[in-house]
Amino acid sequence: GENVEQHPSTLSVQEGDSAVIKCTYSDSASNYFPWYKQELGKRPQLIIDIRSNVGEKKDQRIAVTLNKTAKHFSLHITETQPEDSAVYFCAASLSGGYNKLIFGAGTRLAVHP
Amino acid sequence: EAGVAQSPRYKIIEKRQSVAFWCNPISGHATLYWYQQILGQGPKLLIQFQNNGVVDDSQLPKDRFSAERLKGVDSTLKIQPAKLEDSAVYLCASSGLAGVFTDTQYFGPGTRLTVL
Repeated sequence: GENVEQHPSTLSVQEGDSAVIKCTYSDSASNYFPWYKQELGKRPQLIIDIRSNVGEKKDQRIAVTLNKTAKHFSLHITETQPEDSAVYFCAASLSGGYNKLIFGAGTRLAVHP
Repeated sequence: EAGVAQSPRYKIIEKRQSVAFWCNPISGHATLYWYQQILGQGPKLLIQFQNNGVVDDSQLPKDRFSAERLKGVDSTLKIQPAKLEDSAVYLCASSGLAGVFTDTQYFGPGTRLTVL
């Protein structure tokens, strides 16, 4: 079946460093790629998303890049802060489904002061 | 706007018992989703409603799980009988703009189920 692979599973950085999380997807018809942040015990919250008609999108310290040919997309966080510590999930839409998403397994990011 | 509401937040039951979860989506949102999130994994879609009709239930274990969305608003997810492997967080999400193929999904806080 279709799947989304996410790497790394854990990431530890020093405050102020950059963090990069990568995802690959298998459904070549996927056209919507959201990223969610989930703090411990809380709900997943959308932080940024990208659609297949653009290659990059940026929102302050967060950016997402998409390479449709290679079927991978990445989340970039610059100038990391301790409050960025959380689990991040990537997701990809599935063709043939109505707004159906398949999620990666998550990356636990720890930002150390 | 108010977010997606879920209850209860926590539930502990013994195997073979039954349990029900409730979800109230964001007002006006046509599409409602139930996800299962096992510890250390990403959310997995169990069932998706468009208004009060089922759009996708391909990954719902129908021998023990059931869900309904009466009147196209609130929804309940039931497990009967529960198994140990059902221990997980059950997340409800909703999205608006019926007819939009890809639309932001907003999640509720989830119900953490522990089956002993």
